[in-house]
Amino acid sequence: SQTIHQWPATLVQPVGSPLSLECTVEGTSNPNLYWYRQAAGRGLQLLFYSVGIGQISSEVPQNLSASRPQDRQFILSSKKLLLSDSGFYLCAFGADSNQPQHFGDGTRLSIL
Amino acid sequence: GENVEQHPSTLSVQEGDSAVIKCTYSDSASNYFPWYKQELGKRPQLIIDIRSNVGEKKDQRIAVTLNKTAKHFSLHITETQPEDSAVYFCAASPLGGYNKLIFGAGTRLAVHP
Repeated sequence: SQTIHQWPATLVQPVGSPLSLECTVEGTSNPNLYWYRQAAGRGLQLLFYSVGIGQISSEVPQNLSASRPQDRQFILSSKKLLLSDSGFYLCAFGADSNQPQHFGDGTRLSIL
Repeated sequence: GENVEQHPSTLSVQEGDSAVIKCTYSDSASNYFPWYKQELGKRPQLIIDIRSNVGEKKDQRIAVTLNKTAKHFSLHITETQPEDSAVYFCAASPLGGYNKLIFGAGTRLAVHP
């Protein structure tokens, strides 16, 4: 079966520190991968998506970047975190562009 | 680009009543419309979806209707139960957009016993 793993579950970081959130998918090859951010009490905003290794599309200008070093691995990074980067970060995958997206458990990021 | 508006932002019903949540989208080329349920602190979970070649889809107590001409779609929950209480999100996927989803702002549904 297809599963998605995301870690860590929670993270508290000081302003200006770096960030690395990881997401991996099992049970499918060459999935579409997505990073979303959800501010408290708000909807989900698409940050990045990837349709293959090394292929990253950015949806909004921001302080974050994404990489896909392996077929089923998607990483969200920042060199210097801002207070505004706080939120609930969700990774999602779709087996292909015709399949529904399924979300990981998310990472709750707090910036102090 | 695509924009999705969702109403109402909060909805309170008595157990056993029906609940309806409505969404409108702006891009007439969007062709896929999923609905997700998110419980507090948890991941969004897909509950039903519909493609633009279908007008209605039903799964037990949940149904989704799509009006392509008016560019709106709705979630219908019948015989609501307390465990239906959650935040519901609609989304639209632009054609050719690798299934990326543009979400509505969400509806907080409370079902009172």
